[in-house]
Amino acid sequence: ETGVTQTPRHLVMGMTNKKSLKCEQHLGHNAMYWYKQSAKKPLELMFVYNFKEQTENNSVPSRFSPECPNSSHLFLHLHTLQPEDSALYLCASSQQGGASGANVLTFGAGSRLTVL
Amino acid sequence: EDQVTQSPEALRLQEGESSSLNCSYTVSGLRGLFWYRQDPGKGPEFLFTLYSAGEEKEKERLKATLTKKESFLHITAPKPEDSATYLCAVHSGSRLTFGEGTQLTVNP
Repeated sequence: ETGVTQTPRHLVMGMTNKKSLKCEQHLGHNAMYWYKQSAKKPLELMFVYNFKEQTENNSVPSRFSPECPNSSHLFLHLHTLQPEDSALYLCASSQQGGASGANVLTFGAGSRLTVL
Repeated sequence: EDQVTQSPEALRLQEGESSSLNCSYTVSGLRGLFWYRQDPGKGPEFLFTLYSAGEEKEKERLKATLTKKESFLHITAPKPEDSATYLCAVHSGSRLTFGEGTQLTVNP
């Protein structure tokens, strides 16, 4: 596999469920990101990891819990979500770490989440 | 607060009909402006980075330009495969701020 791979592509969960989104990058990049994309709204940065260390948390509610075990894998653990959390969750990676705004991002195809 | 506004929200063109997409920005100090293309069911794909006013970059039928207040993505003689949502993002300080995108449809 090449690029950035996200699983699952689609997820439906109830408000009391616990689920996880997975992202894997095969590019040798050092930084990984979670973004939220909602209809008619700009992409929202959620978390940034540089060399496995979390460097940015954009005031994301604690019901979203990221995990980065190594530079190639990123997870987003979900629990007690709200219907307004329904969105496309995009993972991205970049070659360089540092400030999140400076780098060209390679995105995965996203995980479409529906919260009932 | 940094602001990025893209217009129009949606644009329909006939194949071969050239046009431009606009990205206006208000930031405290521009460090770079990015253009991405997003196809349905896929993540955004990088197109260009522009760093200073007057800079231009081209790729096939696309040309991106930058001034101190806005960027244009010019599409020359578009084809149906150019149909996608085009996203603009501005790097200021340490953050990247995205616009809402322009959904382009090119009819054969």
